[in-house]
Amino acid sequence: DTAVSQTPKYLVTQMGNDKSIKCEQNLGHDTMYWYKQDSKKFLKIMFSYNNKELIINETVPNRFSPKSPDKAHLNLHINSLELGDSAVYFCASSQDWGSSRGLYGYTFGSGTRLTVV
Amino acid sequence: QKEVEQDPGPLSVPEGAIVSLNCTYSNSAFQYFMWYRQYSRKGPELLMYTYSSGNKEDGRFTAQVDKSSKYISLFIRDSQPSDSATYLCAMKKNTGFQKLVFGTGTRLLVSP
Repeated sequence: DTAVSQTPKYLVTQMGNDKSIKCEQNLGHDTMYWYKQDSKKFLKIMFSYNNKELIINETVPNRFSPKSPDKAHLNLHINSLELGDSAVYFCASSQDWGSSRGLYGYTFGSGTRLTVV
Repeated sequence: QKEVEQDPGPLSVPEGAIVSLNCTYSNSAFQYFMWYRQYSRKGPELLMYTYSSGNKEDGRFTAQVDKSSKYISLFIRDSQPSDSATYLCAMKKNTGFQKLVFGTGTRLLVSP
């Protein structure tokens, strides 16, 4: 069973289009995240949700809008895609309360490779 | 300047070598330290985590934290070709809703 699953794995789209990436975790974690990894492998946090509530919102263009329908799902919608949005987007989850393992580690999905042409 | 600095490599070593991977950080508020391994086209996976200064060992891996110098290390003994991956350090200020801040990752290549 996949712990954190993202769809799609690959996404190639034209500039100006709108696209969504979906994420689901079956670990029972309370907190989910979106990270962006650029071509130099640098992972930067974008958003974090805890029990469907937005708790971290980094400096991200408002073309990016996360949505968490329940604590097991966190989706990312991107409007008016630009060339600079090309990257790998990772979803992750953690259990921040009551679990010593969760105090330290995030579980990542395998990523969505977005290419904007 | 990034909060967490890490040499991107690549670091090439022969099989069996001892590998040392390092990160420095600028914010003394970081208290929890982690190492992640990322294989090509995969998500990062947690390797080790530490809280206090000192060493923590897990099999062939040893994590070391020196808070006074703001310096953390990961040592890999008897390196194997299967250890070839990108190693990312990560750190967090405290428990609760604090973001995990990553280094840029060091690419390690272990040749047979």
